[in-house]
Amino acid sequence: GAGVSQSPSNKVTEKGKDVELRCDPISGHTALYWYRQRLGQGLEFLIYFQGNSAPDKSGLPSDRFSAERTGESVSTLTIQRTQQEDSAVYLCASSRKLQGAAEKLFFGSGTQLSVL
Amino acid sequence: DAKTTQPPSMDCAEGRAANLPCNHSTISGNEYVYWYRQIHSQGPQYIIHGLKNNETNEMASLIITEDRKSSTLILPHATLRDTAVYYCIVRAYTDKLIFGTGTRLQVFP
Repeated sequence: GAGVSQSPSNKVTEKGKDVELRCDPISGHTALYWYRQRLGQGLEFLIYFQGNSAPDKSGLPSDRFSAERTGESVSTLTIQRTQQEDSAVYLCASSRKLQGAAEKLFFGSGTQLSVL
Repeated sequence: DAKTTQPPSMDCAEGRAANLPCNHSTISGNEYVYWYRQIHSQGPQYIIHGLKNNETNEMASLIITEDRKSSTLILPHATLRDTAVYYCIVRAYTDKLIFGTGTRLQVFP
């Protein structure tokens, strides 16, 4: 596909369960970002990957949140022991991240996570 | 923390130009000005960016003041589909993109 693909588009889970959210970036994009957006609020940065390393994990809200990336491809965001406060849209973005150049991020449509 | 200040909301008549202001008085020399928008229930969409000079593309124009402390995004002929939240972001190459609360633009018939 031509764009950033996220799956599932919707996820309903029970409090205390673990969830995995998947992001397929645009082919050739070396940089990958995860954001969270709670209802009616702005985007919160979670984590950034360059290749398969994560130079900036500063936005992960707790140790229940983790993410990994395989090469310059798929990324998975895992939330363990989900809480109701984790309910939000989780957005993924990718970019080519050319050295010294301005960077355009391309976003997926997000995963709507609802924790009951 | 976001480094920009934007009005929370604006209205614009369909077919007229929408001028969205952004204040970034603490911008550094290596920071670009970016604009994104988010239409309801979608991920943000890149619109335009600039460093010092004014920029234009098929979506919009970006006017940056000479001292770079403020900028204006111009949608020359707004349509109903331009109704969205518009985010102005300043960012250096090595920084992550930090979204503020943006301006909610309502285009009315």
